[in-house]
Amino acid sequence: GAGVSQSPSNKVTEKGKDVELRCDPISGHTALYWYRQSLGQGLEFLIYFQGNSAPDKSGLPSDRFSAERTGGSVSTLTIQRTQQEDSAVYLCASSTQQGYQETQYFGPGTRLLVL
Amino acid sequence: AQSVTQLGSHVSVSEGALVLLRCNYSSSVPPYLFWYVQYPNQGLQLLLKYTTGATLVKGINGFEAEFKKSETSFHLTKPSAHMSDAAEYFCAVSWAAGNKLTFGGGTRVLVKP
Repeated sequence: GAGVSQSPSNKVTEKGKDVELRCDPISGHTALYWYRQSLGQGLEFLIYFQGNSAPDKSGLPSDRFSAERTGGSVSTLTIQRTQQEDSAVYLCASSTQQGYQETQYFGPGTRLLVL
Repeated sequence: AQSVTQLGSHVSVSEGALVLLRCNYSSSVPPYLFWYVQYPNQGLQLLLKYTTGATLVKGINGFEAEFKKSETSFHLTKPSAHMSDAAEYFCAVSWAAGNKLTFGGGTRVLVKP
């Protein structure tokens, strides 16, 4: 079946612009996660959704970052007024959460470059 | 703070040689443990995971890992490296409800012919 998909695969933007990154999880997966992978910081957790609710937003680096999930499916990560330090690969993952510690399946990521 | 450490950011092995990637975590409470592999320009793929039960875990592509509570370690091994094993490997742990993963810094494996 289809895996986690993310769009766009690459995004180049100018400093100060807003960007939206999209994640389509595996059908039926109730849990959805966003992570960021950057050279300086490695792989970092950003936010976790269970259904449409986000019980853990502790990894969002600033109030310029926000995310939402609708219909228990698609999620959008929005970065406002982008900065050069936002350049990274943004990874989305989903899981069934039927058992504690179900496997997270990752998408290919969106590579964001802020000029 | 709870953390995950991977010893060695780069490892070079000869084809056919043993692959050993080290992972240690800092916590008094044993976490759930994972190894992921990332090929260039791709997402992360699960190699194996330890949750409960047998401490020696077998994964895909001939990899295995052993959870040693006394050493707070979860090292990844493969007896014989193949060229296709060249990739970056990440150890990850989860302590929290909600399954949030904390990753080590990653180890890039180079396989020499």
